[in-house]
Amino acid sequence: EPEVTQTPSHQVTQMGQEVILRCVPISNHLYFYWYRQILGQKVEFLVSFYNNEISEKSEIFDDQFSVERPDGSNFTLKIRSTKLEDSAMYFCASRTRGQLIYGYTFGSGTRLTVV
Amino acid sequence: LAKTTQPISMDSYEGQEVNITCSHNNIATNDYITWYQQFPSQGPRFIIQGYKTKVTNEVASLFIPADRKSSTLSLPRVSLSDTAVYYCLVGDSTDDKIIFGKGTRLHILP
Repeated sequence: EPEVTQTPSHQVTQMGQEVILRCVPISNHLYFYWYRQILGQKVEFLVSFYNNEISEKSEIFDDQFSVERPDGSNFTLKIRSTKLEDSAMYFCASRTRGQLIYGYTFGSGTRLTVV
Repeated sequence: LAKTTQPISMDSYEGQEVNITCSHNNIATNDYITWYQQFPSQGPRFIIQGYKTKVTNEVASLFIPADRKSSTLSLPRVSLSDTAVYYCLVGDSTDDKIIFGKGTRLHILP
């Protein structure tokens, strides 16, 4: 079964540092997403991306965040200057056109710890 | 987006059938009902989707009554590995993003 791959699985960074979380979506998928989940809380939508541009973003996705699809396979989330409250699991997801409603495939996540 | 209500948590024992019911009183004509599962420290995983009556796959069954104002996810003969959070989602093809609620935390006991 095709998978969404996320690297690294765990990243520890110092407050104020930049981090880049990487995702390899399923190869024929066209729509890409980032979500985050703070420990013990709900899975929260951050951003959706289609046709090389952001389709929608949440209030969480402020100027410190950016996304990029630098080549045909990777999809990255950058946090420019990390804060303690950015500590969370970050999940990448993808889907293809015409797929089941809400038929996303999620990756296993990157656990980001800001110290 | 139709609002959904599901129990916050449930406990069951290995080998039992577990039914998790979700209420969605303001479901629209074009809405489908989708269930996701999330194991600890993993991303959510699509389990099953339906529009009406009954849908069954290798993981679960989904029962939807004629008025569609609720749905029941049925997990047959659960094992410890079915311990997870289960999310009920209601939406149509115009909904691009998933908005997750708190889900139902299912704890399977030996």
